[in-house]
Amino acid sequence: AQSVTQPDIHITVSEGASLELRCNYSYGATPYLFWYVQSPGQGLQLLLKYFSGDTLVQGIKGFEAEFKRSQSSFNLRKPSVHWSDAAEYFCAVGGGGADGLTFGKGTHLIIQP
Amino acid sequence: SQTIHQWPATLVQPVGSPLSLECTVEGTSNPNLYWYRQAAGRGLQLLFYSVGIGQISSEVPQNLSASRPQDRQFILSSKKLLLSDSGFYLCAWSFSYGYTFGSGTRLTVV
Repeated sequence: AQSVTQPDIHITVSEGASLELRCNYSYGATPYLFWYVQSPGQGLQLLLKYFSGDTLVQGIKGFEAEFKRSQSSFNLRKPSVHWSDAAEYFCAVGGGGADGLTFGKGTHLIIQP
Repeated sequence: SQTIHQWPATLVQPVGSPLSLECTVEGTSNPNLYWYRQAAGRGLQLLFYSVGIGQISSEVPQNLSASRPQDRQFILSSKKLLLSDSGFYLCAWSFSYGYTFGSGTRLTVV
């Protein structure tokens, strides 16, 4: 069965500092990988996705993620965070079929001044 | 362009009352549709998915049901709500392996 692990429940980063959110997945075939962001009380916004090709994926809001098959990881990075980046971040994996996505439990990002 | 509408945004219902949440999609046809639930402090759990009218698959046994009476309409229902049904419910549709989510319904069962 497919699964996603986000080992960090909370992360606190100073504004302007770099960020890396970890994501490890388990999937029996070639995975489709996603990162979503959720602001309080809101729906999910897609940051970026990986299907194939270049393993370094660029997304919106200055985020990027790198797919590492050997480590079963898809970590999210940003070189310099802004206070508006404070939110919940979810990593997800799917196979492209009709059975939807499997999400990690999320990482709550706190930005301190 | 494709859009997804979900309502109501918030709902407070007493235990034992019925529930109906609606999701509609515009700008596409024959989408795959999904209902997810996000309980407090937890990730998102897939509840139901549908590949077409009248075709519903359930991921977990629960107090809820789903229906798809029209191609772009997906409804989540319950005959009698439980306290444990409280949570944030999200509708989503998929296209070309991408997924778009609605703005969600915050359900509080009291």
